[in-house]
Amino acid sequence: GAVVSQHPSWVICKSGTSVKIECRSLDFQATTMFWYRQFPKQSLMLMATSNEGSKATYEQGVEKDKFLINHASLTLSTLTVTSAHPEDSSFYICSARQPLSGRDSAQYFGPGTRLTVL
Amino acid sequence: GNSVTQMEGPVTLSEEAFLTINCTYTATGYPSLFWYVQYPGEGLQLLLKATKADDKGSNKGFEATYRKETTSFHLEKGSVQVSDSAVYFCALSHASGGSYIPTFGRGTSLIVHP
Repeated sequence: GAVVSQHPSWVICKSGTSVKIECRSLDFQATTMFWYRQFPKQSLMLMATSNEGSKATYEQGVEKDKFLINHASLTLSTLTVTSAHPEDSSFYICSARQPLSGRDSAQYFGPGTRLTVL
Repeated sequence: GNSVTQMEGPVTLSEEAFLTINCTYTATGYPSLFWYVQYPGEGLQLLLKATKADDKGSNKGFEATYRKETTSFHLEKGSVQVSDSAVYFCALSHASGGSYIPTFGRGTSLIVHP
């Protein structure tokens, strides 16, 4: 099956610094990737849809200047949390769909990245 | 808009008990329906899916039937194991601007005791 990886799996940073999280599709090309945020014991909150070669589409309420998304290739999307603050601490998960897949195609999820901002 | 509603958790069961986790949805058109499972500290994994009315998805002893008349996709398992302890997410996939956007329920935590 399709495999999606994330790096790093856990990161601790100081307040005010920026953190980059990578999401890679290892055995397929993903024209679209999704970035989610998950708070403890809560559901996934879709942050943005990342499209290869174009700007990401952000969900309402998500600051595009704070959460920078770049989808430079068909196998890599990055999320950069700029000027991180403790309230940005969360579990960030990416997912991808296989290309040309229709509505019945599942999402393939990365293992998640736990960000802790001190 | 589209939405997914799941029963509140946690659901606590003894090993070998019968499991039902309710899921209902609201959607325009004909969405595909999914159940994902998240084990502690991990990302989500697809558990099963159904793409049209009356389809039954099944995997690892879990089953769910796409009921269009009741807009439901309840997850069931006849005999749960301790290793089934996880958070279960019901989801649907709908078309939006040429792409297919997933909508997730809030998740239901399952705790199985020996």
